[in-house]
Amino acid sequence: EPEVTQTPSHQVTQMGQEVILRCVPISNHLYFYWYRQILGQKVEFLVSFYNNEISEKSEIFDDQFSVERPDGSNFTLKIRSTKLEDSAMYFCASTADFFNYGYTFGSGTRLTVV
Amino acid sequence: GENVEQHPSTLSVQEGDSAVIKCTYSDSASNYFPWYKQELGKRPQLIIDIRSNVGEKKDQRIAVTLNKTAKHFSLHITETQPEDSAVYFCAPNNQAGTALIFGKGTTLSVSS
Repeated sequence: EPEVTQTPSHQVTQMGQEVILRCVPISNHLYFYWYRQILGQKVEFLVSFYNNEISEKSEIFDDQFSVERPDGSNFTLKIRSTKLEDSAMYFCASTADFFNYGYTFGSGTRLTVV
Repeated sequence: GENVEQHPSTLSVQEGDSAVIKCTYSDSASNYFPWYKQELGKRPQLIIDIRSNVGEKKDQRIAVTLNKTAKHFSLHITETQPEDSAVYFCAPNNQAGTALIFGKGTTLSVSS
């Protein structure tokens, strides 16, 4: 079964540093998403990406965040200057097309800001 | 935006019992109703979903029922097993491709 791949699985960074989280969506999928989950809380939507641009974003996705699809396979989330409260599990997800509701989530990157 | 509530927040059952989790939503345009299961430290995984033109869907021990008039849908797990222990999230949606808004989750504990 096709999978969404995320790297690294765990990243520890100093407060104020930039981090880039990487995702490889399923190859024929067209819609890509980032979600985050603070420990013990619900899964929260950050941003969706389609046709090389942001299609939707939440209030959480402020100027410190950016997304990019630098090539045909990778989808990245950059946090410019990390804060302690950015510590969370970050999940990438993708869907095939506009008529397919089914999400496939990656296994996540646990970001720890110290 | 969509307001999603799940009840209960925690649920403890004995192995073999049934479990029911309810999700209430606010957007009357919602037409897709999934349930996700998340085991500790793992990704959310879709376990069952239903579209608005169907009232009930069953897959072995799990089922989802929908009441569009009352704007709620429920997850039913019968003959629970310890491996059903997890956090369950609902995420009603009104348009494919848009953000899923998750409920706060229900922690199900099944004791043997």
